[in-house]
Amino acid sequence: AQSVTQLGSHVSVSEGALVLLRCNYSSSVPPYLFWYVQYPNQGLQLLLKYTSAATLVKGINGFEAEFKKSETSFHLTKPSAHMSDAAEYFCAVSVPRGGGADGLTFGKGTHLIIQP
Amino acid sequence: NAGVTQTPKFRILKIGQSMTLQCTQDMNHNYMYWYRQDPGMGLKLIYYSVGAGITDKGEVPNGYNVSRSTTEDFPLRLELAAPSQTSVYFCASSYSSGGAGDTQYFGPGTRLTVL
Repeated sequence: AQSVTQLGSHVSVSEGALVLLRCNYSSSVPPYLFWYVQYPNQGLQLLLKYTSAATLVKGINGFEAEFKKSETSFHLTKPSAHMSDAAEYFCAVSVPRGGGADGLTFGKGTHLIIQP
Repeated sequence: NAGVTQTPKFRILKIGQSMTLQCTQDMNHNYMYWYRQDPGMGLKLIYYSVGAGITDKGEVPNGYNVSRSTTEDFPLRLELAAPSQTSVYFCASSYSSGGAGDTQYFGPGTRLTVL
């Protein structure tokens, strides 16, 4: 079975600083990887996803992530943090199956705090 | 398109009561999902459906039931509510399987408290 580990339940950065949110996965087959963002009292919104094309994936709001198979990682970065980036971020994994949907397996989430 | 809509937004239940959480999508998606989100625990899959009339259990199905009579609707039924079912519930849908890397679209959630 696949799993996701997000290092750091809370990450605090200054406005304008680099954002780095860490995600490591475990899967016995090549996975699909996702980053979702959740703003307070809202549902989840897709930021970006890796589906075995380019290993560097660009998403919305200036975020990007790089798939590194050798490190089983899919870390999320943004060069310059903005106050509006404050939210909960979830890394998730799914694997190809012969049948059935089986949903996404989520990490526990990282709460991003932006300091003025 | 409204996307994925959920009702109600909030609900307080007493132990032993039952209720149905409603979920509707207008994107003609085949796949629909129910997740629960507990603080600090991420989201866990309760049930999913690959099309009308077809449902299957996820990771945490105990205490819940689902049905899928139409493509648009995927209600989640709680029988005999327990405090352990206090959570935020999210419905999601996708055109094809998550196992095929397809994007899931989420509703705004239902916050349920069982006292």
